[in-house]
Amino acid sequence: SQQGEEDPQALSIQEGENATMNCSYKTSINNLQWYRQNSGRGLVHLILIRSNEREKHSGRLRVTLDTSKKSSSLLITASRAADTASYFCGRSGGSNYKLTFGKGTLLTVNP
Amino acid sequence: DVKVTQSSRYLVKRTGEKVFLECVQDMDHENMFWYRQDPGLGLRLIYFSYDVKMKEKGDIPEGYSVSREKKERFSLILESASTNQTSMYLCASSFLFRLAGGRSTDTQYFGPGTRLTVL
Repeated sequence: SQQGEEDPQALSIQEGENATMNCSYKTSINNLQWYRQNSGRGLVHLILIRSNEREKHSGRLRVTLDTSKKSSSLLITASRAADTASYFCGRSGGSNYKLTFGKGTLLTVNP
Repeated sequence: DVKVTQSSRYLVKRTGEKVFLECVQDMDHENMFWYRQDPGLGLRLIYFSYDVKMKEKGDIPEGYSVSREKKERFSLILESASTNQTSMYLCASSFLFRLAGGRSTDTQYFGPGTRLTVL
């Protein structure tokens, strides 16, 4: 099983601050993907990082991957109220096609 | 832009009814997936398909079946709906990558979700 978890479960910050969320996993991965979900909606893909990559950027998002620690982090810089959402990491690995998700981090950005 | 559509945003059914949830993608993706999402439990994979007529069980397949007759369409079937199947159902699709050590899914694109209530 590749079960892992996002951490923390909930995070509340002020607009303009940075938000950091972490994802841990237990077995080797091919890639790890971060998603955002606004309340009651589907998931929106943010960044995919492959097992041979250590860092990726997309706009205000920065994702790091440490395969020796089996962990990844998502940093959102200069947060906005519109960033309020749940964030999930999906791990893909082994000889299968699927992503394994945790329970997510609920981020609240207060204006 | 990739588009994944689901047949209904909200659905209310009665216990014992047969329920069909439809998902269509327009990107010629090989992989398609059905998840359910419940508070405190996160997303859990029900079934997935990596080709037409091919399917594999996910983590919680009991009480569900699937059908993939065409590449763009993946249906989730509740043969006899029960109250514990009240949930948000999410469909996703992705390209398939074959690696030396196995197979991998690329970016998954999700539909808007169907909130199913079984009374």
